Amino acid sequence: EVQLVESGGGLVQPGRSLRLSCAASGFTFDDYAMHWVRQAPGKGLEWVSGISWNSGSIGYADSVKGRFTISRDNAKNSLYLQMNSLRAEDTALYYCAKAYNWNFHSHMDVWGKGTTVTVSS
Amino acid sequence: QSALTQPASVSGSPGQSITISCTGTSSDVGGYNYVSWYQQHPGKAPKLMIYDVSNRPSGVSNRFSGSKSGNTASLTISGLQAEDEADYYCSSYTSSSTQVFGTGTKVTVL
Repeated sequence: EVQLVESGGGLVQPGRSLRLSCAASGFTFDDYAMHWVRQAPGKGLEWVSGISWNSGSIGYADSVKGRFTISRDNAKNSLYLQMNSLRAEDTALYYCAKAYNWNFHSHMDVWGKGTTVTVSS
Repeated sequence: QSALTQPASVSGSPGQSITISCTGTSSDVGGYNYVSWYQQHPGKAPKLMIYDVSNRPSGVSNRFSGSKSGNTASLTISGLQAEDEADYYCSSYTSSSTQVFGTGTKVTVL
């Protein structure tokens, strides 16, 4: 069974950092691009970042560019999101999602259950 | 990277058909056939319903169909059922090598 399990969320003060992880199983991880998508409480979905199968192509939403860094470790079947200089508006449920193919141009066909990040003093 | 525009809500009676629009620009919806649609029930993760404008993943009911004309994509749900009541989001690849979601539409089955 294809499965994505996010971890690393929590309560953090504004300006601090947090690193999210996503453990993948049930598919050949290094064949596929991956995405991070977030959803603020009571709000819609927002694409955060995407990374190609070999990390050769990476993209970020303007709202996080320069503060967040996406990465992956294909040997560990894991995806990461390093979040620096966190703001209150980064408070959200963060989903890890598998792309349909090697390129994050493609849609998200499998989603994790998400991990909650709360930025507050 | 402005969100794609969707109606806030759409409603219909059981058995009816409804259509949700998703309007973007030539830099996203109109420029690529990488439009997808997601269904999200309260407290659940999104589920892929349509990809590449009009393709249905295995296991998704054929009551769901997608199309595109110019800068506007559409999701049609025919034979509306109670279980279709959920939030729906469109998404598109963009010329900035990013993805962008729509504002979301709440579907209510009357």
